[in-house]
Amino acid sequence: TQLLEQSPQFLSIQEGENLTVYCNSSSVFSSLQWYRQEPGEGPVLLVTVVTGGEVKKLKRLTFQFGDARKDSSLHITAAQPGDTGLYLCAGVEVYRDDKIIFGKGTRLHILP
Amino acid sequence: DAGVIQSPRHEVTEMGQEVTLRCKPISGHNSLFWYRQTMMRGLELLIYFNNNVPIDDSGMPEDRFSAKMPNASFSTLKIQPSEPRDSAVYFCASSIAGGPVRNEQFFGPGTRLTVL
Repeated sequence: TQLLEQSPQFLSIQEGENLTVYCNSSSVFSSLQWYRQEPGEGPVLLVTVVTGGEVKKLKRLTFQFGDARKDSSLHITAAQPGDTGLYLCAGVEVYRDDKIIFGKGTRLHILP
Repeated sequence: DAGVIQSPRHEVTEMGQEVTLRCKPISGHNSLFWYRQTMMRGLELLIYFNNNVPIDDSGMPEDRFSAKMPNASFSTLKIQPSEPRDSAVYFCASSIAGGPVRNEQFFGPGTRLTVL
C-alpha cells in the first residue's frame, strides 16, 4: 500500500502552459516536502510545508498543504523546459520526525 | 562544499556475487539514509542511522541486505548474494536531525546497480 499517492504519474505539456500535480494520503503528516529529481541525479529539496493550509511560492512554483495536512499540491505557472523532471512529495509521519515517506512521483516533461 | 559522495556510480555484477555500496555523508550531518529507487516501486527507504546507530531497518528487503556505519563519515550497504531483482539505483542521503530546516535530506548522486 502506497502511503502517498501522486497524480498524475506522467504529464507532458507545452512550454507556457500551467499545470498542477497532486499528492494525497489518508494519513496526517507533521510536514510535507517536495523534491525535484533530474536524470542521473538524486532528489533536491524544493520546499517544506508544515502548517495546514500553508502556501509557499518559489518563483513560478506554488505549493499548498491541505488544511487537514493529508494532501498537497504543486502548481507551476508558465512551465518552461527547465521544469522537466521527476517531482516527488515526501511526508514526515507524526511522531516519526526522523523518517520520511516518499510518493512515486510525477514525471513532468515540458515541450519547447 | 562537498555534498554526499557515493561510490561506485555504476556497478554491474553477476547473480550471486557480493556487492558493496559506499557513502560519505556531509560533514556535520548526524542522520544517514539508504534508499532504493525503481520504476515500479519508486523511492523506498531501506535503513537509516542516527549518530551512527541503526534506528529503523524495516525497509531492508531481506537478510541478503546489510548496512553499517562504523563512523560519522562512512557507511556501507552490502548485498550478499545479489540477485537480478536487486537491480536499481541506490541513494544515500544525510541530514541534520532536528536542524533549522527539519528533515531536509541531501542526496548523493546514486549508484546504479545492475545484476545480471
